[in-house]
Amino acid sequence: SQKIEQNSEALNIQEGKTATLTCNYTNYSPAYLQWYRQDPGRGPVFLLLIRENEKEKRKERLKVTFDTTLKQSLFHITASQPADSATYLCALSRDSSYKLIFGSGTRLLVRP
Amino acid sequence: GAVVSQHPSWVICKSGTSVKIECRSLDFQATTMFWYRQFPKQSLMLMATSNEGSKATYEQGVEKDKFLINHASLTLSTLTVTSAHPEDSSFYICSPRGLAGNEQFFGPGTRLTVL
Repeated sequence: SQKIEQNSEALNIQEGKTATLTCNYTNYSPAYLQWYRQDPGRGPVFLLLIRENEKEKRKERLKVTFDTTLKQSLFHITASQPADSATYLCALSRDSSYKLIFGSGTRLLVRP
Repeated sequence: GAVVSQHPSWVICKSGTSVKIECRSLDFQATTMFWYRQFPKQSLMLMATSNEGSKATYEQGVEKDKFLINHASLTLSTLTVTSAHPEDSSFYICSPRGLAGNEQFFGPGTRLTVL
């Protein structure tokens, strides 16, 4: 069955450092992958989308890579700030219907 | 990004009662609505998909008679949890679709607690 894995352990880093989060998937060939931010008690907020034919995408301090051979996406936040503390979810398109399959998310804590 | 609202943001009800959750897309027309739920410390799971003016399709394991979805207009969809039980306590999130592109936007969520 299709499976998406994100590191369930919280990532704890010092302000100013680069945070790197991992998303791995199996039994799957998605057309694109998305990253979301979710704060406690809130719905997901869209951050970035990367297509299968794109290796890297950037938006301000955010960078996403997509390796379809390794079946892995990396999400980077450079010059991290305490305000970046949240749970980050990766999601894959299940098919052409725009239905999404989500990972369980990785919690990021940025210490001042 | 798209503006999506949900009402109520949280609700507490007694077991056996029904609860209606509204989802509105405020700045675009949602031809399709996805409803997800999220249990604590778990990922979002798709419950059902509805297209405006037609019946919803439900994911495996989701009871269509328990979770009634109405998508009568392009800006409003409702999810009614009928005869709610404590195991239905969860975070319900809508995701309307109608914009071009593949980005998907979500509502702020509704926290349901069934006593």
